[in-house]
Amino acid sequence: EAGVTQFPSHSVIEKGQTVTLRCDPISGHDNLYWYRRVMGKEIKFLLHFVKESKQDESGMPNNRFLAERTGGTYSTLKVQPAELEDSGVYFCASSQPSFSGANVLTFGAGSRLTVL
Amino acid sequence: LAKTTQPISMDSYEGQEVNITCSHNNIATNDYITWYQQFPSQGPRFIIQGYKTKVTNEVASLFIPADRKSSTLSLPRVSLSDTAVYYCLVGAAGNNRKLIWGLGTSLAVNP
Repeated sequence: EAGVTQFPSHSVIEKGQTVTLRCDPISGHDNLYWYRRVMGKEIKFLLHFVKESKQDESGMPNNRFLAERTGGTYSTLKVQPAELEDSGVYFCASSQPSFSGANVLTFGAGSRLTVL
Repeated sequence: LAKTTQPISMDSYEGQEVNITCSHNNIATNDYITWYQQFPSQGPRFIIQGYKTKVTNEVASLFIPADRKSSTLSLPRVSLSDTAVYYCLVGAAGNNRKLIWGLGTSLAVNP
């Protein structure tokens, strides 16, 4: 089966510009997560979708970040306007509902964002 | 959720067995222990998960003592391609959003 696909793999933009990251989860995975790792720091949770609904967006840094998952398939994460501190690698992961066992996530390769 | 502690880095040689121990003193009753592997420029990849005792798959073994306050990931006969960062996480079903990743253990396998 196809894995989790993220696009673009790397984006370089100037401060104040807008960037949209896209994630295509594994088909049939209702759960979709966004994470971010800033250089030298830990991977941090941003938000969680169940199908098209935002289950938890407590990790979103501020209102410059907007995530959507229309139709419960692919998701986008828009940063507008981008700031220097938004630089990092944005990971998307998906999973099936878990009724036994837990936390088995399939990650994409990540989208590296560089804000100059 | 339980926070984990694992070594920052480890070195090994090809063909050796590598054991990475993770401490999770405040693990909850319904928490599972999961290990991920991450190569440069890739996302983390699931390698093994367990609740208690021992779990083995084609990639690794996971040893969990009775008190579940620690766990050990065992990689048999490592090769250069096992050079990666290994993350230990604990959490319950449905709590992926609350997992604390930490910095992981950077394993370097030398020829």
